[in-house]
Amino acid sequence: DAGVIQSPRHEVTEMGQEVTLRCKPISGHDYLFWYRQTMMRGLELLIYFNNNVPIDDSGMPEDRFSAKMPNASFSTLKIQPSEPRDSAVYFCASSPDRLGPLHFGNGTRLTVT
Amino acid sequence: AQKITQTQPGMFVQEKEAVTLDCTYDTSDQSYGLFWYKQPSSGEMIFLIYQGSYDEQNATEGRYSLNFQKARKSANLVISASQLGDSAMYFCAMSDLNSGGYQKVTFGTGTKLQVIP
Repeated sequence: DAGVIQSPRHEVTEMGQEVTLRCKPISGHDYLFWYRQTMMRGLELLIYFNNNVPIDDSGMPEDRFSAKMPNASFSTLKIQPSEPRDSAVYFCASSPDRLGPLHFGNGTRLTVT
Repeated sequence: AQKITQTQPGMFVQEKEAVTLDCTYDTSDQSYGLFWYKQPSSGEMIFLIYQGSYDEQNATEGRYSLNFQKARKSANLVISASQLGDSAMYFCAMSDLNSGGYQKVTFGTGTKLQVIP
């Protein structure tokens, strides 16, 4: 049974470039979450979806960040334009139900120079 | 108000000994879930164990057990027979519902466990 799949694993880009992170949740999971983790701020929830609909995007830092979930098996997190302070590990996670545990992907390590 | 509290930023344990990582939570919901993750230095978030609020038995998964004390609102992780590979950051988390009835997940700040040979 495949877990949550994220791509790419590593991304290095220059300031000002567009970055797109991708996630495939576990089949049958109704919830999808995007988190960001840094040493300074720990694990931060950016946005989450239920049945492909965004429920809470209050954690999205600013308008440079956007997330979509066009169908139950795919989500993207886009940063445009990227800045060095966006450097972090970005995790996608999915959950089977309202109280279930999150299952995380391996994360995307983003470095913006 | 912090909903998940992990009071131990760091802990040491001797190899082969048992260790308890503390976690207290706060929620007014009757239905909720509690779970633990391990994050080794390689960075992945590994799901370890889950406890539902209505589960009467403490959850166990191999060497991991969750000491669930509902009245005290605690959900401590017990690792038996520690191994060097258990050295990692451990996060406690809770799932309850927001005002709209959707899942809401709260993480603790983590406990860094180091196993000493």
